[in-house]
Amino acid sequence: EVQLVESGGGLVEPGRSLRLSCAASGFTFEDYTMHWVRQAPGKGLEWVAGINWKSGTHVYAGSVKGRFTISRDNAKNSLFLQMDSLRIEDTALYYCAKGTQSLLYSTDAFDVWGQGTMVTVSS
Amino acid sequence: QSVLSQPPSASGTPGQRVTFSCSGSSSNIGLYPVHWYQHLPGTAPKLLIYTSDQRPSGVPDRFSGSKSGTSASLAISGLQSEDEADYYCAVWDDTLNGWVFGGGTKVTVL
Repeated sequence: EVQLVESGGGLVEPGRSLRLSCAASGFTFEDYTMHWVRQAPGKGLEWVAGINWKSGTHVYAGSVKGRFTISRDNAKNSLFLQMDSLRIEDTALYYCAKGTQSLLYSTDAFDVWGQGTMVTVSS
Repeated sequence: QSVLSQPPSASGTPGQRVTFSCSGSSSNIGLYPVHWYQHLPGTAPKLLIYTSDQRPSGVPDRFSGSKSGTSASLAISGLQSEDEADYYCAVWDDTLNGWVFGGGTKVTVL
């Protein structure tokens, strides 16, 4: 069964850091791009970051660029999101999603999603 | 506010056909294929349509997508109660250099 399981969410104060993880199974992880997508309470989906199959290329939404870093460990079938300088507006349910391609082409779609991990930024 | 505009809501009775749009610009939909996602609250989003008009295996043919110019549309024919969900369009945007989602359309089955 193809599966993505996120972990690492929690309550954190503004300005602090948090690292999310996503464990993948049921498919050849190293063959595909991976992404993070978030949903703030009561809001719609927002793409956050993407990484290609060999970690050579990362792309970020403007709202997180310079603060968040996406990475992957193909040997451990794992995806990560290092979130620094967290802001209240980063409060959201963070989803890990599998891309349909190996490179970050504009045609990439997200065909497998996890259940999400909640991040709450509050003092 | 997203660069992709979707109507906030759409509704229909069981068996009806419902169609709603996703309006973009020359830096996104005008250049690239659109994908559609179905999201039931509390569950993982699901890829419904990719590359503007293709259905992944397992998605009923009641769902169809199209694109023309800087707009795309999703149609649900033979509306069923289990189709009640939020639907999002998504596409790459050259100006933002990333993927963007529409604001979502909440479909209600009356």
